[in-house]
Amino acid sequence: QKEVEQNSGPLSVPEGAIASLNCTYSDRGSQSFFWYRQYSGKSPELIMSIYSNGDKEDGRFTAQLNKASQYVSLLIRDSQPSDSATYLCAVKENFGNEKLTFGTGTRLTIIP
Amino acid sequence: NAGVTQTPKFRILKIGQSMTLQCTQDMNHNYMYWYRQDPGMGLKLIYYSVGAGITDKGEVPNGYNVSRSTTEDFPLRLELAAPSQTSVYFCASSPFGEANTGELFFGEGSRLTVL
Repeated sequence: QKEVEQNSGPLSVPEGAIASLNCTYSDRGSQSFFWYRQYSGKSPELIMSIYSNGDKEDGRFTAQLNKASQYVSLLIRDSQPSDSATYLCAVKENFGNEKLTFGTGTRLTIIP
Repeated sequence: NAGVTQTPKFRILKIGQSMTLQCTQDMNHNYMYWYRQDPGMGLKLIYYSVGAGITDKGEVPNGYNVSRSTTEDFPLRLELAAPSQTSVYFCASSPFGEANTGELFFGEGSRLTVL
């Protein structure tokens, strides 16, 4: 059973600070990694994807991947109250296998 | 743009009743999925389909059935509803091949309560 682990939180971060969200996965064959944001009562939306070791930046968001440690993280710089949501880590096994395995999500609260 | 449309948005069932959650997408996506999300939990895959006429089980298929007669539609059937099936159900789709970035396009969800 492939597993994706996240701290459920809640994680509270002051406005303007950096929020750090972590995720580990069990399947070494995993090739693609995603971060989805889910506001309460809404459906998930993709905010970041990463496929290679290292960092990938998009605006205030940075995804970090370390395949050797089976670890992927999401940093949110200059956190805003609108960033308050649940962040779901998702992992895809390999190219051609289109199933995503989701973690349980980390609930993030940005404190004004 | 409609995207992925799910109906109904809310439904209350009695134990033992049956119902079908409807899902339609207008993006011509080959892949379609049904997930369930229990309170405070992530998404668990129930069934998925890689194209019309092809379906396969996910992590938690028991108590559910699906069919995929067209590219657009992927209904989820609940037979003999049980309280354990109380959940929020999400339908999602994604394209095939090079157009696939890994992004799933989700419907708005269907909240089901079994009493």
